[in-house]
Amino acid sequence: KAGVTQTPRYLIKTRGQQVTLSCSPISGHRSVSWYQQTPGQGLQFLFEYFSETQRNKGNFPGRFSGRQFSNSRSEMNVSTLELGDSALYLCASSADPGIGEGYTFGSGTRLTVV
Amino acid sequence: DQQVKQNSPSLSVQEGRISILNCDYTNSMFDYFLWYKKYPAEGPTFLISISSIKDKNEDGRFTVFLNKSAKHLSLHIVPSQPGDSAVYFCAADRDDKIIFGKGTRLHILP
Repeated sequence: KAGVTQTPRYLIKTRGQQVTLSCSPISGHRSVSWYQQTPGQGLQFLFEYFSETQRNKGNFPGRFSGRQFSNSRSEMNVSTLELGDSALYLCASSADPGIGEGYTFGSGTRLTVV
Repeated sequence: DQQVKQNSPSLSVQEGRISILNCDYTNSMFDYFLWYKKYPAEGPTFLISISSIKDKNEDGRFTVFLNKSAKHLSLHIVPSQPGDSAVYFCAADRDDKIIFGKGTRLHILP
């Protein structure tokens, strides 16, 4: 079965712009989580959606937002981009979070802000 | 405040020997602990998990040990193989929110 698909793979934006990243989870998975990976901070949790509702949110500013559609696909939006937003953004999906089976990650979107 | 800590940024182990990756956490309310493996240019891959009510879980060459009193867990890989060279992330799960450590880069030496 298809894995978690993230688009685009690479993105270059300038400061002040906004960006939207997309994530298609594994078919049947209703939970989608977003993470930011940077060399200094490792993997940091952004937010988690389940059945179109945001259930959890990490410690990121309001410029970072997301949503989930009825088909479980999710988008993440970052407005007023800053240089420090340059990172690999990973999306992960799960069928039944909370039972310790882990999440399946996509390959990520590499965002570079110049 | 870093709730999940991997204090060794890197580790080198001879092929065939045991690799031990360590992780400490601060929040005793975590339900599950997980280990992920990540190759360059790929997303993390789930390896193994352990419930907070257990102290050991084994899957093939991978065993995770949990010491709740010390708030410490470790991943043992035996025997280590060249394909095990990757970055390993320890993660803790509470209420469907996963918090990751910063990772340990494992080098398997020939």
